[in-house]
Amino acid sequence: TQLLEQSPQFLSIQEGENLTVYCNSSSVFSSLQWYRQEPGEGPVLLVTVVTGGEVKKLKRLTFQFGDARKDSSLHITAAQPGDTGLYLCAGGQGGKLIFGQGTELSVKP
Amino acid sequence: DAGVIQSPRHEVTEMGQEVTLRCKPISGHNSLFWYRQTMMRGLELLIYFNNNVPIDDSGMPEDRFSAKMPNASFSTLKIQPSEPRDSAVYFCASSLTSGRLNEQFFGPGTRLTVL
Repeated sequence: TQLLEQSPQFLSIQEGENLTVYCNSSSVFSSLQWYRQEPGEGPVLLVTVVTGGEVKKLKRLTFQFGDARKDSSLHITAAQPGDTGLYLCAGGQGGKLIFGQGTELSVKP
Repeated sequence: DAGVIQSPRHEVTEMGQEVTLRCKPISGHNSLFWYRQTMMRGLELLIYFNNNVPIDDSGMPEDRFSAKMPNASFSTLKIQPSEPRDSAVYFCASSLTSGRLNEQFFGPGTRLTVL
């Protein structure tokens, strides 16, 4: 069974701080995605990375795919309360996605 | 454009009752996925369809669970009989199969409570 391990599982920080969330696996994935989920809603796709070493930026969020396409990171600069939510990484394998357990982020004003 | 539509949004039922969850994927998408999310186990894939055909149902927990996709715009997930441990949020997602991208779009979910 392919597993994606996310760390940390919980993160509580003050507004303005920086943070990094990690997503690791022993398996190679054809693509890796990051989703954000708010309470009472479904996950919403933030970004897809497909090339080893690829870096994508989405405003204050920076996503990186590992060179070997087994791991990824999400870095948030100057976090804001609106960033609060559950962040999920998901690896593409065949026709389906393998999801990590998620990182619950809380940004306090 | 409408996203993935799920109904009902909330379902409360008693143990032993049949439960049917419904999903309408995004028009033009040819893959549909059913997930279950709990605090303990996170987001688990139950089954997925390509072009209305079930491809992988290895995540379906037991024979009490069944899923159908009679056409490209409708799918159901049925639990019969339901048990308290089935309580969870069930998500439907759809995607346009496009090589390596696997980008999925999720519905708002159905929160199921089995008493």
